[in-house]
Amino acid sequence: DAKTTQPNSMESNEEEPVHLPCNHSTISGTDYIHWYRQLPSQGPEYVIHGLTSNVNNRMASLAIAEDRKSSTLILHRATLRDAAVYYCILRASGSARQLTFGSGTQLTVLP
Amino acid sequence: GAVVSQHPSWVICKSGTSVKIECRSLDFQATTMFWYRQFPKQSLMLMATSNEGSKATYEQGVEKDKFLINHASLTLSTLTVTSAHPEDSSFYICSAYRGGNPGELFFGEGSRLTVL
Repeated sequence: DAKTTQPNSMESNEEEPVHLPCNHSTISGTDYIHWYRQLPSQGPEYVIHGLTSNVNNRMASLAIAEDRKSSTLILHRATLRDAAVYYCILRASGSARQLTFGSGTQLTVLP
Repeated sequence: GAVVSQHPSWVICKSGTSVKIECRSLDFQATTMFWYRQFPKQSLMLMATSNEGSKATYEQGVEKDKFLINHASLTLSTLTVTSAHPEDSSFYICSAYRGGNPGELFFGEGSRLTVL
């Protein structure tokens, strides 16, 4: 699987936007970019995914670089409940393969 | 949205006993499920891939006789930790694959095993 690189940790103030970066320079044309997050003592939770175009849902936005070698997860207004480890993962279309988790980014939200 | 449920959410057992953890897909059929293990402050590590009606595929270094996986129906996979020891204490997480394009993986809430 193509590898992703994320900062180990980031901090944000409550109610401010957060931009979580992810580099995936070896991404292939069929790889979707997935973001999951894991709250303490819980299983990972799906956040968003995309292929080429930017994506928005109720949780977040995903901005994908034109060359697809990087992406940014955007939380528009961070809340204390958004404190979690955020994982950026690549997965081929239609693949029943497992997700390979990197170390992710630990997001701390300051009140 | 799709829901994957694990049971129990936490369990404490004595060394040498066996513990079974269930993973159910509640509103879709999952021919493929995955079992992960997560130690404190670490990321998820894939243990095995569970395929309905066939033998599980284990990752390198995972003992298949110790971590028994059964995927007898399209909505249920079980992980049995046999003869558990304190070093098996961990957070076990399952995920179930719902087919489609691109298809999605949904995760259970996790099961925390503590072996005394």
